[in-house]
Amino acid sequence: DTEVTQTPKHLVMGMTNKKSLKCEQHMGHRAMYWYKQKAKKPPELMFVYSYEKLSINESVPSRFSPECPNSSLLNLHLHALQPEDSALYLCASSQAFRINQPQHFGDGTRLSIL
Amino acid sequence: GQQLNQSPQSMFIQEGEDVSMNCTSSSIFNTWLWYKQDPGEGPVLLIALYKAGELTSNGRLTAQFGITRKDSFLNISASIPSDVGIYFCAGTALYNQGGKLIFGQGTELSVKP
Repeated sequence: DTEVTQTPKHLVMGMTNKKSLKCEQHMGHRAMYWYKQKAKKPPELMFVYSYEKLSINESVPSRFSPECPNSSLLNLHLHALQPEDSALYLCASSQAFRINQPQHFGDGTRLSIL
Repeated sequence: GQQLNQSPQSMFIQEGEDVSMNCTSSSIFNTWLWYKQDPGEGPVLLIALYKAGELTSNGRLTAQFGITRKDSFLNISASIPSDVGIYFCAGTALYNQGGKLIFGQGTELSVKP
């Protein structure tokens, strides 16, 4: 069982919809991450939050909007997505955003854009 | 950007055989991690390595942090059907921002009973 919980597990949305992905961890970790993963490819980093502040944005399109309401929660707000945005979206957390703090992943949200 | 070279890309083995896969980098890494991902799930951390030369085991899995700090390998002994999945190496490079991970392209393992 993963200690990083993501909801929903599956999401189908149209290109004009607005939806949100949610991620929660109760390990006391102070760094949280969003990744995008295509089938059989490695995860690609999108955003890093460290101590609830956005630390890294990997040039992600503005139709993806992250939010970190508190140290346990991470959201990803979606708006006007494109078919190529269909992918597995993974959340991860680590004790801190440092080299010796391994990241732990949730099981992801499988997103399909119609 | 920086990439990790992970090999082999895929392996088809018989149950009971040993497996070896590795990752190499052109830059020095200060952390090496090995993850396994099953279909429909997120990557699960198998082994974390933090020092050059470090050899760590987790059950039938053994991984090493290369002496040059530019490579790592993962061995699986006496494979079983539940070892099937995609294995990713990942690490943090010396020049990187904080804990930003660089991933290998993955090794897809198939085990024939």
